[in-house]
Amino acid sequence: DIQMTQSPSSLSASVGDRVTITCRASQSINTYLNWYQQRPGKAPKVLIYVASNLQSAVPSRFSGSGSGTDFTLTISSLQPEDFATYYCQQSDSIPWTFGQGTKVEIK
Amino acid sequence: EVRLVESGGGLVKPGGSLRLSCAASGFIFSNGWMSWVRQAPGKGLEWVGRIKSNVVGATTDYGAPVKGRFTISRDDSKNTVYLQMNSLKTEDTAVYYCGLYSGSSESYNWLDPWGQGTLVTVSS
Repeated sequence: DIQMTQSPSSLSASVGDRVTITCRASQSINTYLNWYQQRPGKAPKVLIYVASNLQSAVPSRFSGSGSGTDFTLTISSLQPEDFATYYCQQSDSIPWTFGQGTKVEIK
Repeated sequence: EVRLVESGGGLVKPGGSLRLSCAASGFIFSNGWMSWVRQAPGKGLEWVGRIKSNVVGATTDYGAPVKGRFTISRDDSKNTVYLQMNSLKTEDTAVYYCGLYSGSSESYNWLDPWGQGTLVTVSS
């Protein structure tokens, strides 16, 4: 199975900050990497698919990049509604696997 | 609007069985590939398995922790996908979500949307 490792596991940031979350795969996954946001008590929702494609209706402050084994999710200017947990997920091969999550908290 | 609604969760004893349902609407269900993902309390997301459309034989795949105990099936006449869970263990306690494959190929794919989830508690 492909292992997905996110860093950091948690971070504290202020409204307006630029935030970067990284995700590393244990082997190359091309660009088959998706990012999800999960707010407390809610289902996850996709933000970025196939590494860099912004899902419809997702604010443009979210962006994704990377290929191979190293990927990044960037929030250009953190907003109050962005405080949540973020997960990367590879779709290169079965079984799909998720990173352990990155919790973004208010500083 | 695409909508997924899970049901069937509850409290079950270790070794017991439970069947979850995921009712879909807002898209041509018979063409859709569906997945189940679970989340143990306070933990991250874990892929449970998936079922392809009947067009490609309704093939199923499972994660190692549930293989041989869980079965995913679908009834296209009811726009519903099921997760039959047998030989349940305490470590199967989780919120179970269904999700729709939204991409165009085996790998070019992601889950969108997800249902609201249903809680399964395995405890004596």
